[in-house]
Amino acid sequence: EAQVTQNPRYLITVTGKKLTVTCSQNMNHEYMSWYRQDPGLGLRQIYYSMNVEVTDKGDVPEGYKVSRKEKRNFPLILESPSPNQTSLYFCASKSEGRNEQYFGPGTRLTVT
Amino acid sequence: DAKTTQPPSMDCAEGRAANLPCNHSTISGNEYVYWYRQIHSQGPQYIIHGLKNNETNEMASLIITEDRKSSTLILPHATLRDTAVYYCIVRLGGTNNAGNMLTFGGGTRLMVKP
Repeated sequence: EAQVTQNPRYLITVTGKKLTVTCSQNMNHEYMSWYRQDPGLGLRQIYYSMNVEVTDKGDVPEGYKVSRKEKRNFPLILESPSPNQTSLYFCASKSEGRNEQYFGPGTRLTVT
Repeated sequence: DAKTTQPPSMDCAEGRAANLPCNHSTISGNEYVYWYRQIHSQGPQYIIHGLKNNETNEMASLIITEDRKSSTLILPHATLRDTAVYYCIVRLGGTNNAGNMLTFGGGTRLMVKP
């Protein structure tokens, strides 16, 4: 089944404790992206990647890192999480030249 | 990106057609109209997109006015499972939107009632 998977789905952590949220897609998509969703602010892009080893900042990149060492994986790294990073995070992927994006199921992160 | 305006909420009776409007009066000639939906806290789901012609797929139909300043998403026979927030987005298509891919605004909360 074609899909985007994220892990973990739920995470509660403390300020400053490094964490990684994984994202994987099995559709051989070139483009991958991370979004966060907050009440009243809609969905905002954090980082995106156009292909392996090619990443760039989205609208709200502060406090996040990403890497794209393999085509199928695009992990989101929070080196020192803070409470303002409490949010619902979505990973998405898209094939080059196509319009539709496919989203993962989401990761609900709480930083205390 | 062209800004879109959608009503914050709508109701629809189960089995009836749901018509969701979207205004995008500042759309430029090479921008597409995309529709996504999000069922409570799940990942957004692509529905349909179009440039200027009306489009139909297994999920919905998209009607774009001739001046392209507005569009309507039609769910022909709404079911309870269609209850979701529907987002209308205007963006460049294909490889031209490789960067800042999508920005979701407030959307329309569609409630399908029995």
